[in-house]
Amino acid sequence: GQQVMQIPQYQHVQEGEDFTTYCNSSTTLSNIQWYKQRPGGHPVFLIQLVKSGEVKKQKRLTFQFGEAKKNSSLHITATQTTDVGTYFCAGNGGSQGNLIFGKGTKLSVKP
Amino acid sequence: DVKVTQSSRYLVKRTGEKVFLECVQDMDHENMFWYRQDPGLGLRLIYFSYDVKMKEKGDIPEGYSVSREKKERFSLILESASTNQTSMYLCASSRLTGQATEAFFGQGTRLTVV
Repeated sequence: GQQVMQIPQYQHVQEGEDFTTYCNSSTTLSNIQWYKQRPGGHPVFLIQLVKSGEVKKQKRLTFQFGEAKKNSSLHITATQTTDVGTYFCAGNGGSQGNLIFGKGTKLSVKP
Repeated sequence: DVKVTQSSRYLVKRTGEKVFLECVQDMDHENMFWYRQDPGLGLRLIYFSYDVKMKEKGDIPEGYSVSREKKERFSLILESASTNQTSMYLCASSRLTGQATEAFFGQGTRLTVV
């Protein structure tokens, strides 16, 4: 079945450093979503990318969807302690709108 | 304010018990999902449903069943709980549009099987 791989599994950064997490699918995706889960919380939707090569920004967060629609990345510029959490990508697993999640990247930020 | 509500935040059950996890959404969403979350393994799909009485197996359905008798409610059933089913269980819902849309998650149920 479809698989979504995400790396790295963990990332420890100093506050102010940049952070990137990468997502790769075994199949072409119709779209990709990104979620953030704060410690002790539940995943919360950040954004959805649909078009090949699409780039979207949310303040310090930049999301990219690859030209082949099989990979994506999330980049955070100048991390802050409020960025701490686990970031998940999720791809469309079928026509019914099923979501297959990557294993997530757990970000810790040292002040 | 949209909501996905899971019936329990924490549950402790004995091995062999039948366990029901309930999830209700108030957004009139067609899709509902059950995931389990374990450290290092991310979110793994157990079952999902795209309509009342419809269900599809996810990646790890063994040992679980589901019920969707009403649109707003999706139940996960552990027929005979085992210790390897100790986990965080997350319910989610989304609209059905032919493509994936934003999923809204419940707060999660941390189940411990002893």
